[in-house]
Amino acid sequence: DQQVKQNSPSLSVQEGRISILNCDYTNSMFDYFLWYKKYPAEGPTFLISISSIKDKNEDGRFTVFLNKSAKHLSLHIVPSQPGDSAVYFCAAATSDGNKLVFGAGTILRVKS
Amino acid sequence: NAGVMQNPRHLVRRRGQEARLRCSPMKGHSHVYWYRQLPEEGLKFMVYLQKENIIDESGMPKERFSAEFPKEGPSILRIQQVVRGDSAAYFCASSPDLVSYNEQFFGPGTRLTVL
Repeated sequence: DQQVKQNSPSLSVQEGRISILNCDYTNSMFDYFLWYKKYPAEGPTFLISISSIKDKNEDGRFTVFLNKSAKHLSLHIVPSQPGDSAVYFCAAATSDGNKLVFGAGTILRVKS
Repeated sequence: NAGVMQNPRHLVRRRGQEARLRCSPMKGHSHVYWYRQLPEEGLKFMVYLQKENIIDESGMPKERFSAEFPKEGPSILRIQQVVRGDSAAYFCASSPDLVSYNEQFFGPGTRLTVL
C-alpha cells in the first residue's frame, strides 16, 4: 500500500515563476517529512524537512507547508531556476526514525 | 568530509550469479540504510543497520538477500542467485549517531543489471 503519494508525475514551470510540488500521505503516525531532490545517475540530496508540530518551514527559495488535517504537504520553490530541474521525492518517517517512506517522485522541468 | 560512497556504480550479472554491493557511510556515521529503486518508482526501504547489528530488515525479501555492517569495513548488501527482477538502483544512506531529525545522506547508488 502506498503510504506516501505524489500524484503528479511531472510539472513544467517557466523560469522565475513558482513551482509547487504536492504530496499526500495516509499514515497518521508519520511525524516528520522531508523533500529530496535527485538528478539522473545520482543519489537523492536532502532539501528541506518539517516536523509535524509545525505547519511551515522555509529555507531560502524553498518552503514546505504541512496540513496535518488534510494529510498533505507541499514544496514551494520561488523563483524557479533551470538548475532546479530534477526529480523531487517526498518522504515521511515515524518518531522512531528508522526508515523513510518515499513517494514515487515528481519530475520538475524549469524552462528558461 | 567525503560523502557516502558506494561501489561499484554499475554491476552486470547473469541470472543465478551473486551480486555484492558495498557502502561506506560518511565519516562519523554509524547508521546505514539500504533502499531499492525500481524503474519509474520511488525508493523502497530494505534494511537498517548499525555497526554489527541489523536493526530493521522489514523491507528485505525473505530469500536471497542479506546485509551486514561489520565492525571494520563497509556495509555489504548481498544478493544470491540474482533474477531479472532484481535489476534496480540500490541506494545506501547514512546518518550520525545522534539524530534529532531524520535526514539521511545518500550515496550515488549502484545500478544492478541482471541479464
